[in-house]
Amino acid sequence: DAGVIQSPRHEVTEMGQEVTLRCKPISGHNSLFWYRQTMMRGLELLIYFNNNVPIDDSGMPEDRFSAKMPNASFSTLKIQPSEPRDSAVYFCASSSGQRNEQFFGPGTRLTVL
Amino acid sequence: SQQGEEDPQALSIQEGENATMNCSYKTSINNLQWYRQNSGRGLVHLILIRSNEREKHSGRLRVTLDTSKKSSSLLITASRAADTASYFCATGFSSGGYNKLIFGAGTRLAVHP
Repeated sequence: DAGVIQSPRHEVTEMGQEVTLRCKPISGHNSLFWYRQTMMRGLELLIYFNNNVPIDDSGMPEDRFSAKMPNASFSTLKIQPSEPRDSAVYFCASSSGQRNEQFFGPGTRLTVL
Repeated sequence: SQQGEEDPQALSIQEGENATMNCSYKTSINNLQWYRQNSGRGLVHLILIRSNEREKHSGRLRVTLDTSKKSSSLLITASRAADTASYFCATGFSSGGYNKLIFGAGTRLAVHP
């Protein structure tokens, strides 16, 4: 099992540009989570999906952030336009409905200049 | 907002010593989980304890849960340099019929050879 796959691993962009982060959950997992981690705010849940349906997006900071899950094996988190304060490590995690533990990807380190 | 708060924020010990980290939370939970994060990596699930359990063991890990005090502790016995990492507690609870995890700020553990 390859685990949760995220791409890119590192992204450096300029303010105002669109950023798209990608995630492939573990096969068979029906829940997917997007988190953001910063030194100041720790690990924050942005949004989570169950069976490809967004369940709770209350953690999405602003309308500049959007997430989609078009099928069970792929999700995107988009920031448009990006701002320097969006700089963080973004993690995707997945879990099975049978168990509550989450499996994290390696993260995408985003730097917005 | 963070549900769990770890204590201490940082811990420095010598190899062979035991490390104890504490977690307090605010609301009712279904379970409490501990995760480890090595520098630059994603979080890795260590252990889950359900709300009706008081103690659980896994290898050198021992977790206790006191729901009356809304607190948990993670004990790592006979620590090794490889245990150096950040440790997070995460409270699992039901939200809108789905399982949700809220992570604390973490404890940074440094184990010196």
